[in-house]
Amino acid sequence: GQNIDQPTEMTATEGAIVQINCTYQTSGFNGLFWYQQHAGEAPTFLSYNVLDGLEEKGRFSSFLSRSKGYSYLLLKELQMKDSASYLCAVRTPGNTGKLIFGQGTTLQVKP
Amino acid sequence: GAVVSQHPSWVICKSGTSVKIECRSLDFQATTMFWYRQFPKQSLMLMATSNEGSKATYEQGVEKDKFLINHASLTLSTLTVTSAHPEDSSFYICSARELAGGTYEQYFGPGTRLTVT
Repeated sequence: GQNIDQPTEMTATEGAIVQINCTYQTSGFNGLFWYQQHAGEAPTFLSYNVLDGLEEKGRFSSFLSRSKGYSYLLLKELQMKDSASYLCAVRTPGNTGKLIFGQGTTLQVKP
Repeated sequence: GAVVSQHPSWVICKSGTSVKIECRSLDFQATTMFWYRQFPKQSLMLMATSNEGSKATYEQGVEKDKFLINHASLTLSTLTVTSAHPEDSSFYICSARELAGGTYEQYFGPGTRLTVT
């Protein structure tokens, strides 16, 4: 089966650093994605990891450990606009390569 | 960059009627498009995978006769919700995978909010 777990909600302070964890157990793996989604809008792509290690992109970094079935998204220098849902998604192998999403983590940034 | 559009952005229909939602890749060709449904405060649930020129592959629990998917060209896929009922009210999001992409990234449309009264 497919199982992707994320915390449901997190709260952090403006200017701080927050780490959102994601663990997965899937029948096959071909990459892990992080998306940001504001209420009522479509998800926007943040990061993609297929090999172990850290990928850094500005204030956002994403880490992957395939042996542990674990990833995290790190947000630095939090801004109020970072308040959103963050979705972890695993891509399945094969030509179709569909994404299986976790339930999402709602992050609230407080002043 | 790759852009995916959806039409309409929102629709209200009466129970028992059918609604068609279009998903277009505007500046790239997509052999594969995906349809998701998202209920309030929940994550995206994959409904079906649509491949150009062939029948869609539906996820377990999704009624193929109720959610008709057509992927007639490399830039257009449609989802028709037939005989809609209030429980079909949801946010429907499509995504498209680029034909010649190397990053395996999916590009999401802006979503269609369906309300069935």
